[in-house]
Amino acid sequence: GEDVEQSLFLSVREGDSSVINCTYTDSSSTYLYWYKQEPGAGLQLLTYIFSNMDMKQDQRLTVLLNKKDKHLSLRIADTQTGDSAIYFCAEGSGGYNKLIFGAGTRLAVHP
Amino acid sequence: NAGVTQTPKFQVLKTGQSMTLQCAQDMNHEYMSWYRQDPGMGLRLIHYSVGAGITDQGEVPNGYNVSRSTTEDFPLRLLSAAPSQTSVYFCASSYSGLAGVETQYFGPGTRLLVL
Repeated sequence: GEDVEQSLFLSVREGDSSVINCTYTDSSSTYLYWYKQEPGAGLQLLTYIFSNMDMKQDQRLTVLLNKKDKHLSLRIADTQTGDSAIYFCAEGSGGYNKLIFGAGTRLAVHP
Repeated sequence: NAGVTQTPKFQVLKTGQSMTLQCAQDMNHEYMSWYRQDPGMGLRLIHYSVGAGITDQGEVPNGYNVSRSTTEDFPLRLLSAAPSQTSVYFCASSYSGLAGVETQYFGPGTRLLVL
């Protein structure tokens, strides 16, 4: 079945770049998403990328997609303490189709 | 707009008890869904609805019922609570935007403990 995998934990120093990786199995995925969950809160959509794109940049966020290897990454430049959260990768086929979420990567930012 | 609201925020149940988790949205979204979040696992879809009067099962529907009598509300019912249902439950609503991108809005979650 469809599956999305992420590493569970990442620790970075404040000011460095963070790279969170994700692999997925469904080759028919049309959209890939990154969500952020802060402590005690629901998920918030950060960004998404369409499957025919290789890269998308949005301020400090850069999403890279390698469709051949089914690999997605999220790079956060100049990581701040406010970026500490759990980041979820998700795949979907667009429209009202169900999203498949990864287990989430907990990002810890230290001084 | 309040967005997606969920009540209660926290609930303790005894095994065998029933309860309803409430979810409401004021964005006129057609699509609503319920997920559960367990440690070390991604969100798993329990039930979803593509409009009033229409519901369908997700990945883990057993032990839960839903109904959608209005666009705004999508309650989740636990028929006979079990310890395996201890989890954090998230309700989400979404619309299909430009080029089919689905933007889901999540509620703050309900933390459920079943003893």
